[in-house]
Amino acid sequence: EVQLLESGGGLVQPGGSLRLSCAASGFTFNTYAMSWVRQAPGKGLEWVSAISGGGGSTYYADSVKGRFTISRDNSKNTLYLQMNSLRAEDTAVYYCAKGGCSSTSCYTEHNWFDPWGQGTLVTVSS
Amino acid sequence: SYELTQPLSVSVALGQTARITCGGNNIGSKNVHWYQQKSGQAPVLVIYRDSNRPSGIPERFSGSNSGNTATLTISRAQAGDEADYYCQVWDSSTVVFGGGTKLTVL
Repeated sequence: EVQLLESGGGLVQPGGSLRLSCAASGFTFNTYAMSWVRQAPGKGLEWVSAISGGGGSTYYADSVKGRFTISRDNSKNTLYLQMNSLRAEDTAVYYCAKGGCSSTSCYTEHNWFDPWGQGTLVTVSS
Repeated sequence: SYELTQPLSVSVALGQTARITCGGNNIGSKNVHWYQQKSGQAPVLVIYRDSNRPSGIPERFSGSNSGNTATLTISRAQAGDEADYYCQVWDSSTVVFGGGTKLTVL
């Protein structure tokens, strides 16, 4: 069974930093792209970032480009999101999600998200 | 930037068919994926690549995509189908989600 467990959320002041982690199990981690998707309170889904299975390709939403960095440690089956220069509008539940098809079957840019973790709440406030 | 347009809400009578649309410029040329999100829960994939159902998703859920509109169809709607539904595509190396549609089963 695929499991994704996010951690690292919490309360941080504007301008601060936070690193999220997503521990994965139940699949061959290094053959699947992974993504972060967030959801502000009462709002819809907003994609944040994606990374290819090998880690060589990364993708970012314009809203976080230059402030957030996605990475992965395939030896630890863990996905990360380093968030710097945080703003109030970054307040959201952050989900990690596994790519729906392996890198041997489709490109990262053809992927869907399945499954999703349960999310970790990030609150940016003074 | 690419935009996906969904109706804010759709209502359907119990046992009837609900259709949720997702509009985008020439969306028929893209792969569209659909997610269901029940209150307080993480999203769940219900349709991928326009019309494919993941294992465990009932046959009542189906999808189509042509021209400027993709459609998620839920047949024989049940109370348990009440949720927010989101469409998703990739465009220019970024992921785009629709704004979401709240499905109410009457």
